[in-house]
Amino acid sequence: QQPVQSPQAVILREGEDAVINCSSSKALYSVHWYRQKHGEAPVFLMILLKGGEQKGHEKISASFNEKKQQSSLYLTASQLSYSGTYFCGTEGPDAGGTSYGKLTFGQGTILTVHP
Amino acid sequence: NAGVTQTPKFRVLKTGQSMTLLCAQDMNHEYMYWYRQDPGMGLRLIHYSVGEGTTAKGEVPDGYNVSRLKKQNFLLGLESAAPSQTSVYFCASIGSRNQPQHFGDGTRLSIL
Repeated sequence: QQPVQSPQAVILREGEDAVINCSSSKALYSVHWYRQKHGEAPVFLMILLKGGEQKGHEKISASFNEKKQQSSLYLTASQLSYSGTYFCGTEGPDAGGTSYGKLTFGQGTILTVHP
Repeated sequence: NAGVTQTPKFRVLKTGQSMTLLCAQDMNHEYMYWYRQDPGMGLRLIHYSVGEGTTAKGEVPDGYNVSRLKKQNFLLGLESAAPSQTSVYFCASIGSRNQPQHFGDGTRLSIL
């Protein structure tokens, strides 16, 4: 089942912060975050594994609460280059208990940063 | 180092025609995936492979077939194209679990 992302769209001015949430109804092994610009392939941002860890990537960080099956992506002091669509991809056990690295992606959050 | 290469990049087909999309990776990755992406939606898994000679169905497999005869190549076939298969197709690969998926640049397919 597809994870649910919120909000669907965010409009920011440069320097403002944003939070994008990803929620799953299934148990998860990991959550992946990608950013995609129009007409391009998704670009990897980070992976969060079970254990409730929080990771950072420059001014972009994320957390993963495995008990709640939720992850959040934090963008601080946004830059024009942050504009794009952000996707979470969740990995969890299938009917056989395996996953083989398969991801189920959310519908995406469109982030627009204005000067 | 090319990473993941998809061919062709663009294609227009007529309903009922067949075609094959090629995904080639030069990273010796075991796992490969085919996704489709429609406007306003995330990527949906069509088929995947966990190694040479293996394939399995993903979330939306109907109307597609795949083959992985060589480790570096993963082929996606449309036997009888339908307008509902108009989409952008992405291929991705990983060497093992918990690794970032490496995506190709996509194939934009229109079926009239």
